[in-house]
Amino acid sequence: GAGVSQSPSNKVTEKGKDVELRCDPISGHTALYWYRQSLGQGLEFLIYFQGNSAPDKSGLPSDRFSAERTGGSVSTLTIQRTQQEDSAVYLCASSLMGQGYEQYFGPGTRLTVT
Amino acid sequence: AQTVTQSQPEMSVQEAETVTLSCTYDTSESNYYLFWYKQPPSRQMILVIRQEAYKQQNATENRFSVNFQKAAKSFSLKISDSQLGDTAMYFCAFTPNTGNQFYFGTGTSLTVIP
Repeated sequence: GAGVSQSPSNKVTEKGKDVELRCDPISGHTALYWYRQSLGQGLEFLIYFQGNSAPDKSGLPSDRFSAERTGGSVSTLTIQRTQQEDSAVYLCASSLMGQGYEQYFGPGTRLTVT
Repeated sequence: AQTVTQSQPEMSVQEAETVTLSCTYDTSESNYYLFWYKQPPSRQMILVIRQEAYKQQNATENRFSVNFQKAAKSFSLKISDSQLGDTAMYFCAFTPNTGNQFYFGTGTSLTVIP
């Protein structure tokens, strides 16, 4: 079946512009995660959605970052007024809760802020 | 606070040999899950192996096995009969039983030498 997809795969934007990154999780997966992966670093947790519950936003680095998940499926991560330090790969993952919490990852979006 | 430490930024192994990647973690939780994920140069993160903390038996998946030492909070990955396709970044990850957040180490870059 289809895995987690993300779009765009690459995004180059100018400093100060807003960007939207999209994630399509695996159908039926109730949990969705966003991570940021900077060069040579591990994965930094950003936000977590579980069903209809309020999202866990504790990992968002600033109020320029926001995310939403519509209809319990597709999610959009928005970065406003981008800064050069926002350049990274943004990974999305989904999981079917209760199945040992295995996460299935998308291919990521490489964001470059010039 | 939950932390995951991978102290080996880079490792190499000869094809067909065995290599062990180290991971330690810190948590006050009594039940949790541990994972090893592989991220090839193509960027797609995939699950290698999973261990539930309450299970004494070490998990095994074909050529991949773990040495889980709960008291020492250690979770190492052993790759037997290394293959060229094993070349990748390997991330150790931890999640408490609630599954809200995953905590990742900074990764170990493994190169399999022909």
